Amino acid sequence: ETGVTQTPRHLVMGMTNKKSLKCEQHLGHNAMYWYKQSAKKPLELMFVYSLEERVENNSVPSRFSPECPNSSHLFLHLHTLQPEDSALYLCASSSGTSGYNEQFFGPGTRLTVL
Amino acid sequence: AQKITQTQPGMFVQEKEAVTLDCTYDTSDQSYGLFWYKQPSSGEMIFLIYQGSYDEQNATEGRYSLNFQKARKSANLVISASQLGDSAMYFCAMREGPNNDMRFGAGTRLTVKP
Repeated sequence: ETGVTQTPRHLVMGMTNKKSLKCEQHLGHNAMYWYKQSAKKPLELMFVYSLEERVENNSVPSRFSPECPNSSHLFLHLHTLQPEDSALYLCASSSGTSGYNEQFFGPGTRLTVL
Repeated sequence: AQKITQTQPGMFVQEKEAVTLDCTYDTSDQSYGLFWYKQPSSGEMIFLIYQGSYDEQNATEGRYSLNFQKARKSANLVISASQLGDSAMYFCAMREGPNNDMRFGAGTRLTVKP
């Protein structure tokens, strides 16, 4: 596997379910990100991890819980979501967190909350 | 306030012609990076091109070039010799200095006509 992978690619869940999204990067990067892409809204940064420590949390509701066990893996744990949380969730990684490091994205997980 | 503005929700271009996608940005930082990403219908965000605020030359990557006008705070993407496979959403993004946060514009949907 190369680049950034995400599983599952599609997920349908009820509001009372608990599920997790997984992201894995094979690029040797040390920073990882979760983004949310809703219809008709700009891409929103949710969480940033640098060297496995969370460095940014953009006022994301607590029903989204990230986990970064090592520099290659990033999870997003979901519980008691709302229908408005339905979106494409994109994971990205970069070799640093400065303004000069482009981010490489995974294919995304399309989440539908019923 | 919106940091990245893409004023063209949709653009059409004839195959083999050139097209310019507009992007303006707002920052008070002297050091920042500008990025363009392509998102096909599959959902994956594909990095296209990068321009640093201190770069004197406009960035070019194959058929992609970035028309960087610092005083006007614009970073337009030029795609030469459009191909049918160029049909996708295109996002302009900016990262300021050592900030972790990459801000994205709302995107422009490009359709290449045969």
